[in-house]
Formats: sequence, C-alpha cells, structure tokens
Amino acid sequence: GENVEQHPSTLSVQEGDSAVIKCTYSDSASNYFPWYKQELGKRPQLIIDIRSNVGEKKDQRIAVTLNKTAKHFSLHITETQPEDSAVYFCAASWGSGTASKLTFGTGTRLQVTL
Amino acid sequence: EAQVTQNPRYLITVTGKKLTVTCSQNMNHEYMSWYRQDPGLGLRQIYYSMNVEVTDKGDVPEGYKVSRKEKRNFPLILESPSPNQTSLYFCASSVLAGDTGELFFGEGSRLTVL
Repeated sequence: GENVEQHPSTLSVQEGDSAVIKCTYSDSASNYFPWYKQELGKRPQLIIDIRSNVGEKKDQRIAVTLNKTAKHFSLHITETQPEDSAVYFCAASWGSGTASKLTFGTGTRLQVTL
Repeated sequence: EAQVTQNPRYLITVTGKKLTVTCSQNMNHEYMSWYRQDPGLGLRQIYYSMNVEVTDKGDVPEGYKVSRKEKRNFPLILESPSPNQTSLYFCASSVLAGDTGELFFGEGSRLTVL
C-alpha cells in the first residue's frame, strides 16, 4: 500500500517568515495530494490540494508543489501569521476524484512566534 | 448547515464492553470513512464506504466493524474494546466523483478504554 512520510515533525518560525513542509510518497500510481490543517482541538480541514497533472498550485499565501519523478510534494506558507499555528497533514491517494484510499502523513506541528 | 455529526464526543469505557460511535452526514455524500488519530502516527484509516452496503478495510481495521445501511449513517462498532483502541476518532465524508476529493470531518470522538 501507499506510504507517506512527512518532515519535519515540528517547525517553529517567526511571524512573517516562510514555512516549508515536505512529504514523500511510495506509490507511483498516486494522483491526488491534499493538505489538511488541524487547529488545536479542532477537526482537520482541507487547505489546498493538487493533482498529478499539475506541478504547482497557489492560493493566496499557501502553495503546493509536486515532483512526480521524485515522488515528493511540499507545502509552502509565506508571510506566516500566528493563526497559521496548527498541525498540518499531507496525504496521497489514487482514484478519480475520490479520497477512497487516502493515506496521511504523520503531521507537522507549525508554531508561528511573534 | 452542511455537517458531519459524531456521537458521543467523549466516552470512557472498560475493556470488553461493546460500544458504537455514530456518524451522520447531511450532504448526500456517497463516500464515508473512519480514521483514528494517535500522537506521532497521524490519521490512520480504519474503514471506508463508497456507498450503501459497500464497505472496505482501511489500514487499521482490526477490532472494528462498520455498517452502511443508509447513505447518511456510518456507525463504527467496537465489539470488545481494548486499551489499545484508546484514541481520537474522526468520521469523514466526501463526494465520490468530481474535481475535489475534499473530506469533511466530524468534530471527533475521544475514546478511553480502561
């Protein structure tokens, strides 16, 4: 089955700096890569996703890049703010528009300090 | 309001006492899934369902059962709970096809097995 590794497990940045979280996956058939944000005591929520036919996707301060050859993808957050502090999960799955076999990484705890 | 509802939110039980965690969604989603979240292990899929009467094992199905008799409901059953099933459980739902595989999570159910 799919195996997703995520690094780092914790990340501390100063407000205004950029943060990068990296994930690698094992199954070359995976074609859907979402990122979820989980604030303390809350449920995970989708913040951005990318499909394997796209190399990069941006949404305001967040972006995701995908390297299919190397089987890794990354989340980039620019101009970090205190409200970005949360646990971020990457995930990978295959299928047509579904999350049926979504495998999550182990999470990155991001702390944005003032 | 579109939502995924889980009950109970908190439960303390004893080894061997059967329990059911209910999950209901009001978005007419075909796909539903259960995850457990443990520190350092991320979100691991227990079971998922692609539609009524269609269920399949995820990565950690041992000790759990599910059923999907109605589209909106997907209960998680622990026939004989053990302490290693102490965890935070999330139910999630999604459309089965389309441009996004966004999972909508419930608020979580924190289970302690003594």
